[in-house]
This record gives sequence, C-alpha cells and structure tokens, in this order.
Amino acid sequence: DSGVTQTPKHLITATGQRVTLRCSPRSGDLSVYWYQQSLDQGLQFLIQYYNGEERAKGNILERFSAQQFPDLHSELNLSSLELGDSALYFCASSVSQGEEKLFFGSGTQLSVL
Amino acid sequence: GENVEQHPSTLSVQEGDSAVIKCTYSDSASNYFPWYKQELGKGPQLIIDIRSNVGEKKDQRIAVTLNKTAKHFSLHITETQPEDSAVYFCAADQAGTALIFGKGTTLSVSS
Repeated sequence: DSGVTQTPKHLITATGQRVTLRCSPRSGDLSVYWYQQSLDQGLQFLIQYYNGEERAKGNILERFSAQQFPDLHSELNLSSLELGDSALYFCASSVSQGEEKLFFGSGTQLSVL
Repeated sequence: GENVEQHPSTLSVQEGDSAVIKCTYSDSASNYFPWYKQELGKGPQLIIDIRSNVGEKKDQRIAVTLNKTAKHFSLHITETQPEDSAVYFCAADQAGTALIFGKGTTLSVSS
C-alpha cells in the first residue's frame, strides 16, 4: 500500500457528462500529481500541485481542471466527456517537488460510454 | 519539455535469463531517473532510481546505468523470475518538477 488513496476506483458515465476524481496524498506529502494512462500513450503527465498551488502543467485538456485543497487532498474535474477520455487516471504524491520519488495510488478507471 | 523514449515495448525471456530495457531522454537538465514496475490492476511502484552524479546503481538483481553524455539510461534485471513479469516504466524529471514517463515495456518471464 503506497498510502495514496484514490476514489472512486471505477466510474462509468456518458459522453458530455462531468466527473470528479479525488485523491488523498500520503501523510506529510505536499505535492500531488495527476497522470492519465491509456493503452497507446503510456503515462501522460497532466498537472502538478504543491501545497495548494499549481506548479507544472503537462498535456491537460482545457476541459480538465484540478485543484489542491488546504488539507492537501486534490480533485481532478473532467467535463464535456468524450469517448477518448476513457482511461486510467492516477494520482501520485511526493514529499516536496522535483527530482524525487513519486508514490502512486491504485487509480480510477474511467469509462465514457 | 522533456521527452522520454523507451525500448523495447515488449520483452519475453526465459526464467533465469537477463532482461535489459533502454531509455533515452531529451532534456540535458534532467537529473533524476527512476524506474517503476506496474503489476496488473495496480499503480506504478518505484523499484530503483539514479541521479545524474552517479553512473550505476545496483539493488540485488536489479541495476540501472546512466550515461549523461549520451542521454540514455538502462534497467538490467538478472536471474529473472516469473514474478518479474509486469510493465516497466522509465522516467526523467522535467525541469525539477514532474516526472515524464516512457511508454512502458511489457516484460514476460516464462518458466
């Protein structure tokens, strides 16, 4: 167990809908990262937060947004969902930021029908 | 930004053989190079990492080598066992922020 908690484990929804994925980092970790994993693209970095502030952005679509709350948990919001958004979404956390190991949760499997 | 290429995409070996996975990266400013193992239905888990001031690091049957000049690093697994079967990802840090991952190598070890 990595200590990173993601909910829900599975999510099935329809095109055009909006969903929220939740992540609780390991105790003491200040950074949260979101990654999208699809079969042909591997692990794609979406966005990073450190102590409540956005620190780095990757290939995150404008329809997607995230935030990190004062208690350090994070939410990833996906809106106007398309079939191609179906993927496994991982949250990871680290103590600080940059050049250090990430601890991954077990992911949220999103299926858009 | 950083780009990481990983080869091969699939690798099949016999139990007891060695396995080698290679990665190249694009950003010469990257300093941290971890390797992750992902088993079915689980999140990636760190197995070994190396920093730019070191050329090689070993942990039991696993070793990683780094060539900063050529911007490539490799994972070596010796005496492979069936439980080594998984997807392996290499990664490099991007400007000291997030990790950028390769597309993964599916390793199959047959007994």
